[in-house]
Amino acid sequence: DVKVTQSSRYLVKRTGEKVFLECVQDMDHENMFWYRQDPGLGLRLIYFSYDVKMKEKGDIPEGYSVSREKKERFSLILESASTNQTSMYLCASSFGDGLTTEAFFGQGTRLTVV
Amino acid sequence: AQTVTQSQPEMSVQEAETVTLSCTYDTSESNYYLFWYKQPPSRQMILVIRQEAYKQQNATENRFSVNFQKAAKSFSLKISDSQLGDTAMYFCAFMKHDNNNDMRFGAGTRLTVKP
Repeated sequence: DVKVTQSSRYLVKRTGEKVFLECVQDMDHENMFWYRQDPGLGLRLIYFSYDVKMKEKGDIPEGYSVSREKKERFSLILESASTNQTSMYLCASSFGDGLTTEAFFGQGTRLTVV
Repeated sequence: AQTVTQSQPEMSVQEAETVTLSCTYDTSESNYYLFWYKQPPSRQMILVIRQEAYKQQNATENRFSVNFQKAAKSFSLKISDSQLGDTAMYFCAFMKHDNNNDMRFGAGTRLTVKP
């Protein structure tokens, strides 16, 4: 079974802290994604990566950065957490062959910034 | 950029009945994929069904089927014989046919199946 693992299920951080959300996949997928999920807004793409050290901005990259030093790991970084970044964060991965299209998701990290 | 619209924030259906969830999208691409994902209370997103835009035949997976209208840019999900376990958020998603492909989602529809 494909597994996408997010390091924390729940996280509480203080305003101004630097926050790292980690995601690891075990299927040798080329593509990895970070989404933010908010009620009424669905999933919004923050960043995605289609290869090691490669990244592309999604629809809402402001206030976030990412790192992909190894193929299996994709990190989302909140440089200085703010209360408006309180949300559910979902990581996903997929093959990059253009043929195998299914994305597999982690269980999400619910981040609260106080 | 592509946009995906789900106009029904919430829906409910009686157990064993049929329900249809709506989705429209906007794109200038001719080749793409469409998906329905399910997110139960456990939060684990699960693929329900997928449709390739170049295929005219509507996809079917057991009790789940789609009505894909390419010209109208419409992609609805029909759930037949609804079960209590179908209670979940349902998200419609779009992906270009591209090696470097990102997926865009709608706002979701919360479906409740009532006993």
